[in-house]
Amino acid sequence: AQSVAQPEDQVNVAEGNPLTVKCTYSVSGNPYLFWYVQYPNRGLQFLLKYITGDNLVKGSYGFEAEFNKSQTSFHLKKPSALVSDSALYFCAVRPFSGGYNKLIFGAGTRLAVHP
Amino acid sequence: KAGVTQTPRYLIKTRGQQVTLSCSPISGHRSVSWYQQTPGQGLQFLFEYFSETQRNKGNFPGRFSGRQFSNSRSEMNVSTLELGDSALYLCASSSTLAGGNYEQYFGPGTRLTVT
Repeated sequence: AQSVAQPEDQVNVAEGNPLTVKCTYSVSGNPYLFWYVQYPNRGLQFLLKYITGDNLVKGSYGFEAEFNKSQTSFHLKKPSALVSDSALYFCAVRPFSGGYNKLIFGAGTRLAVHP
Repeated sequence: KAGVTQTPRYLIKTRGQQVTLSCSPISGHRSVSWYQQTPGQGLQFLFEYFSETQRNKGNFPGRFSGRQFSNSRSEMNVSTLELGDSALYLCASSSTLAGGNYEQYFGPGTRLTVT
């Protein structure tokens, strides 16, 4: 079965420290991987994607993610966290074959950045 | 470009009623997908429409249906509402041009409360 796992319900980090939000996936074939962020009472905002190519992907607002095929992971990272980064983060996968624009989402990880 | 718009933003309905939600995609986007977001089940794919045809469907009962018009605007309908249908319904649009970016852009959602 195709699935995405975000093992941490919440990640706490001090402002200025690096942050990592973890994501692992299970799909057949080569996946398309995405990170989205959701602020209260808002829809999802696209952060970055991995389709092919370099394993390190850079996205919006200073975020980056590293694709690791052997570990089937796609962890989200940022070198220096801001209080304004506090939000709900979702990892998603679009199976390479079929599925068209269907996204399978992880359960989400709440990021809390403390001053 | 204007983003994805959804109307209404908030809706309160009674069990047994039916409801129609509307989504206008980003100009030029021909694919529209719908997702349901609940605290218990997270983000779940409902269906995707492209060129007025449903080309992918999630695991939801037949009470959930949708359609797409020639201008790519989409509606989803839920009949015989149940309390468990209370959720944030998100619409997303995507470019399907060759070499497209693959990411989906989400609207702010419609918050449906069933009483």
